[in-house]
Amino acid sequence: EAAVTQSPRNKVAVTGGKVTLSCNQTNNHNNMYWYRQDTGHGLRLIHYSYGAGSTEKGDIPDGYKASRPSQENFSLILELATPSQTSVYFCASGVSGGAGQNTLYFGAGTRLSVL
Amino acid sequence: GQQVQQSPASLVLQEGENAELQCNFSSTATQLQWFYQSPGGSLVSLLSNPSGTKHTGRLTSTTVTKERRSSLHISSSQTTDSGTYLCAPSSNYNVLYFGSGTKLTVEP
Repeated sequence: EAAVTQSPRNKVAVTGGKVTLSCNQTNNHNNMYWYRQDTGHGLRLIHYSYGAGSTEKGDIPDGYKASRPSQENFSLILELATPSQTSVYFCASGVSGGAGQNTLYFGAGTRLSVL
Repeated sequence: GQQVQQSPASLVLQEGENAELQCNFSSTATQLQWFYQSPGGSLVSLLSNPSGTKHTGRLTSTTVTKERRSSLHISSSQTTDSGTYLCAPSSNYNVLYFGSGTKLTVEP
C-alpha cells in the first residue's frame, strides 16, 4: 500500500514567520505534488516535482518555494507566511508517464493557520 | 492548466437512490480520474477513465473525450458514500487538476 506521510499535521504560525511543511513517501514514485484546499476552490496545485533535484511551478506558486532533496522527500516552504496562506495542504505522490494510470496517493493533509 | 467545473455542487439522496455527478473541463485530457474525499478529509482515488465507460463496484464512469466531459454514476447509494467527489483531468500524464467537487449526502 502506497504511503505518504505529512508533517506536521497541524501548524499555527505568525505572520512573517517561516513555515516548512514536510512530505515523505515510501513508494519510490518519481512525481510528488503540493496542493492546497480552500472552501469553494477544490485542490489547487502549488508546486510539483519529477524527481530528486527538480521542482516545477503549479498554478499558484507565489509565496511558496519547494525543495526535493531526495526521491522520498518533498518540502513546501513559506518564507514569509501571510494570513492568506491559511489553508489545508496536501502532498501527493504518483508514477510518471504512461497512459491513464498516474494515480495519486495523498497524505492526510496539514492544517495551517497563519495569525 | 485545466479549468474544471463540477455539478451539482451538492446533492442529497435517500439511501438506495442513484447519483449522477458531472465534470466538464476546458482542454483535451489524456487522463481523467475521480477521487473521493471523506468527511474527515482523506483523499483516495476511485477510478481512472480517460475515455469510454468504466465500471468498478457500484461506480460507473463515462468520459467523452471530444466533448471534454465525464460523469460518475453511483448506484444504490449508501450512507457511507457521503463525502465529496472530485474530478481530476490531466492534459499530460503527470499533473492532475481538480474541480471543486460535488458534496454528496446520503440520508438513511
